[in-house]
Amino acid sequence: EAGVVQSPRYKIIEKKQPVAFWCNPISGHNTLYWYRQNLGQGPELLIRYENEEAVDDSQLPKDRFSAERLKGVDSTLKIQPAELGDSAVYLCASSNWDTSNEQFFGPGTRLTVL
Amino acid sequence: GENVEQHPSTLSVQEGDSAVIKCTYSDSASNYFPWYKQELGKGPQLIIDIRSNVGEKKDQRIAVTLNKTAKHFSLHITETQPEDSAVYFCAASFGRVTASKLTFGTGTRLQVTL
Repeated sequence: EAGVVQSPRYKIIEKKQPVAFWCNPISGHNTLYWYRQNLGQGPELLIRYENEEAVDDSQLPKDRFSAERLKGVDSTLKIQPAELGDSAVYLCASSNWDTSNEQFFGPGTRLTVL
Repeated sequence: GENVEQHPSTLSVQEGDSAVIKCTYSDSASNYFPWYKQELGKGPQLIIDIRSNVGEKKDQRIAVTLNKTAKHFSLHITETQPEDSAVYFCAASFGRVTASKLTFGTGTRLQVTL
């Protein structure tokens, strides 16, 4: 089966510009996660969706970050405006907690803000 | 919230030797402890996990032990091979859905030398 797909893989932007990341989870997975991974650190959860509902967005900086998961499948994470400190790898993961605890991660999008 | 500490940050072993990575967690309610392997340019991949009702789990050359009283768990890799070189993350989670919110450690860079 196809894994979690993310695009783009790399993005370089200047500060104050907007940026968007896209994620296509594994087919049938009801839960989708967005993580941010700073250099040399573990992933940190930004937001978790169960189907279309954002059930945990407590770590999402809502002044500049937004996310949506239309129809409970694909998801988009947006930053507007980007700041220097937003440079990181943004990881998307999905799971089907009806059957397994395992979270399957995509390859991530490496964002560089200049 | 949960806090996970991981040691060591880097580990170098010779091929065929064993490697041990240790993690401690702070929240006694945590009940699921996965280990992820992350290769360069890729997302983390689950290699083994353990629930709080189990003290030890083994899968070929990989084993995980859990001490709930001390709130620590460890990853053991025996007969290491060059392809084991990667960054390893421990994580902990709690909640109705056991993998609902993973808190990751800071990672251990394992290098297996010939």
